[in-house]
Amino acid sequence: QLTLKESGPTLVKPTQTLTLTCTFSGFSLRTTGVGVAWIRQPPGKALEWLALIYWNDDKRYSPSLKNRLTITKDTSRDQVVLTMTNLDPVDTATYYCAHTDYGDYTSFDFWGHGTLVTVSS
Amino acid sequence: QSVLTQPPSVSGAPGQKVTISCTGSSSNIGADYYVHWYQQLPGTAPKLLIRDNTIRPSGVPDRFSGSKSGTSVSLAISGLQAEDEADYYCQSYDLSLSAWVFGGGTKLTVL
Repeated sequence: QLTLKESGPTLVKPTQTLTLTCTFSGFSLRTTGVGVAWIRQPPGKALEWLALIYWNDDKRYSPSLKNRLTITKDTSRDQVVLTMTNLDPVDTATYYCAHTDYGDYTSFDFWGHGTLVTVSS
Repeated sequence: QSVLTQPPSVSGAPGQKVTISCTGSSSNIGADYYVHWYQQLPGTAPKLLIRDNTIRPSGVPDRFSGSKSGTSVSLAISGLQAEDEADYYCQSYDLSLSAWVFGGGTKLTVL
């Protein structure tokens, strides 16, 4: 059974940097073809893909946010970390991590429960 | 504005069938990228409902089905049940953006 869990601060001040951790089990980022994505959802709004990292350290970023995002993996801890700089209130959202397989055609088949991040002074 | 267009809401009575459309363009659905559907029950994380246009993951009832025609795909839900009331999202990949993209979501109300 694949499980993922997001963790990080619930409240961040504008201009600060957000660091979120996805801790997973039931799969490994040492395995060929495996990836982990970050997706967010502002309150009452649609889902938005942010970033993705594959087993081979191939990294993909949303074009509109790529200058603010960094995704890394720690295979020894089964964790993926997302860093987002220069936070703004519009970044208030529930942030999800999800498992995926390699390739543009694939879906996000297992999701964490999400963590709500509020950006406010 | 989302790259994939969905109706904001649909509704149906218990036992009826509803269809949710997802329209894209030649850089995503029209480029033959698969479309996937997610169900998001109130207050919960999205759950994969249909993958690769038409395939139901294990455990998804066969009341849910997907289809594709040109640059549009559809999710059909037959035999509507109260527990189907949720938000539904389509998702694909956009070649021009080099990004995974979602539709704006459709809220299903079971009357």
